[in-house]
Amino acid sequence: SQQGEEDPQALSIQEGENATMNCSYKTSINNLQWYRQNSGRGLVHLILIRSNEREKHSGRLRVTLDTSKKSSSLLITASRAADTASYFCATKRGAQKLVFGQGTRLTINP
Amino acid sequence: DAGVTQSPTHLIKTRGQHVTLRCSPISGHKSVSWYQQVLGQGPQFIFQYYEKEERGRGNFPDRFSARQFPNYSSELNVNALLLGDSALYLCASSPIGAGENTEAFFGQGTRLTVV
Repeated sequence: SQQGEEDPQALSIQEGENATMNCSYKTSINNLQWYRQNSGRGLVHLILIRSNEREKHSGRLRVTLDTSKKSSSLLITASRAADTASYFCATKRGAQKLVFGQGTRLTINP
Repeated sequence: DAGVTQSPTHLIKTRGQHVTLRCSPISGHKSVSWYQQVLGQGPQFIFQYYEKEERGRGNFPDRFSARQFPNYSSELNVNALLLGDSALYLCASSPIGAGENTEAFFGQGTRLTVV
């Protein structure tokens, strides 16, 4: 079963604009991770935020985590055409598996 | 360094057949996990192997099985294929099998089509 739910399911913006994607989950977690997937191929790890962290940055990416609301957001600033992809949040509880949401399809228009 | 490699990249099988998918983890990684991604959905966990032992199993029927070899490569086997098994099968490796705060490195996947 899917743990996380991303919102929106699809997002289309102009190049240079910021893109924000949200993720909600249901159970307690050790960490939450964001992945990118281009054209239905492999997943690329973007960022990991631990349950005791509230915000994390990596280049043009900013991730926030609110464990009280069981939600996270991914902000991509100054978007580029190459950012067009599907973005997934995944939670980890224990050492074994990642539980993914259904993803947000992001389209950057030139 | 080579990333996670999966073979084959594409595969077409007939209902009822059997399929074997292969995965080589990143050198030094001892944990391998398998995920199934149906079109339009997020990946679903199938198995995790660490140090050649099964450490986790998702909600998949017994038609799905896997194993890990001494060199830490892994095979996913699916018997009696159904149309619903058509999906992208992803393999991921991690440096620490029992670690919680580690990222997973994914291969490019095997696209399985069952006709």
